[in-house]
Amino acid sequence: QITLKESGPTLVKPTQTLTLTCTFSGFSLSTRGVGVGWIRQPPGKALEWLALIYWDDDKRYSPSLKSRLTITKDTSKNQVVLIMTDMDPVDTATYYCAHSLGLVGPSGYWGQGTLVTVSS
Amino acid sequence: QSALTQPASVSGSPGQSITISCTGTSSDVGGYNYVSWFQQHPGKAPKLMIYEDSDRPSGVSNRFSGSKSGSTASLTISGLQAEDEADYYCSSYTSSSTWVFGGGTKLTVL
Repeated sequence: QITLKESGPTLVKPTQTLTLTCTFSGFSLSTRGVGVGWIRQPPGKALEWLALIYWDDDKRYSPSLKSRLTITKDTSKNQVVLIMTDMDPVDTATYYCAHSLGLVGPSGYWGQGTLVTVSS
Repeated sequence: QSALTQPASVSGSPGQSITISCTGTSSDVGGYNYVSWFQQHPGKAPKLMIYEDSDRPSGVSNRFSGSKSGSTASLTISGLQAEDEADYYCSSYTSSSTWVFGGGTKLTVL
């Protein structure tokens, strides 16, 4: 049974750096083709794809946010970390991590999401 | 990369069929067979309904079907039910080796 869960701060100040952790179970991030990605959703708005890391450490980033994002994995801990720098109030959103397979992208397994508010 | 284009809203009566479109370009929807569709109820995480343009995950009702023509993908829901009322999002793999979502469509069951 595959599960994912996001953790991190619920409130960050403008210009600060956000660090989110996705802890998962039921699959291995060392299995060929497997990845874990991040997607966010501002309140009342659409989903936005952010980043993905594959089993072989191949990393993909949204072109519009690439300069601010870093994604890493710790296979032994079954965790993926997303770092986003220079946070702004427009980055207020629910952040989801999701299991990914090959080029399909986000699959049927998502975390519950974590709401991050950016405010001074 | 620009978000894929979806209608803001669609509606239908119980038992009817509706179709939601998702328009992209040859660099995403039209260039790869990797369009997915997600259903999202308020306050919930998205649920995968269709992947690889037209495949249905195990457990998803066969009332949901996906298709594609050129750079426009479509999600059709037949035999509309009250529980289908939700937001629907398409996504596609892109030529930048990334993914992009659509703007979302709110489905209202009348």
